[in-house]
Amino acid sequence: AQKITQTQPGMFVQEKEAVTLDCTYDTSDQSYGLFWYKQPSSGEMIFLIYQGSYDEQNATEGRYSLNFQKARKSANLVISASQLGDSAMYFCAMREYTGRRALTFGSGTRLQVQP
Amino acid sequence: EPEVTQTPSHQVTQMGQEVILRCVPISNHLYFYWYRQILGQKVEFLVSFYNNEISEKSEIFDDQFSVERPDGSNFTLKIRSTKLEDSAMYFCASRALAGAGTDTQYFGPGTRLTVL
Repeated sequence: AQKITQTQPGMFVQEKEAVTLDCTYDTSDQSYGLFWYKQPSSGEMIFLIYQGSYDEQNATEGRYSLNFQKARKSANLVISASQLGDSAMYFCAMREYTGRRALTFGSGTRLQVQP
Repeated sequence: EPEVTQTPSHQVTQMGQEVILRCVPISNHLYFYWYRQILGQKVEFLVSFYNNEISEKSEIFDDQFSVERPDGSNFTLKIRSTKLEDSAMYFCASRALAGAGTDTQYFGPGTRLTVL
């Protein structure tokens, strides 16, 4: 079964608008971490934001915020005020603390920011 | 800002040859990982390494693969006899043991391996 599901293979957004990238996850662990990484066309994986399963507040890092809904098992990434440089692949990932401790990635969403 | 580095950035090899991919993790990190990403696909976990031994490995990480920390700074992935399906981007990642943000794995820029 898919541990991490990203249902949007591609998204378009206008520059300066906000965009939400969806991520749902499946785990029986009570303790886990959720991550978002950005992969530009150059190929590197850039860490964006982290949310722990016990964190009561949604994580924020600059223009990135994570909309964490534990009961729905979703961890959507919100990018505010999109910039052209935000065009990239975005991967949601999860680390379980009693199951597999390495990251399990989703299939990614390609975001294109249009001027 | 400290970062994970990987060499080479691109490696081309003939099927059946051995390759060694090199990584220098962030200096105070103690957990090390290898992942791979076949072109157009998701990132897949290969192996994790802590305290000079493998702590976890995936079903992909078979006897053709090995990892080593030959000195205090390098972390290597060896593929003994490469196959066409080993062509992928290979990422090294590292994580701190304790302190703020310890759960985050920081990735290197990757090595693109092409097996002909």
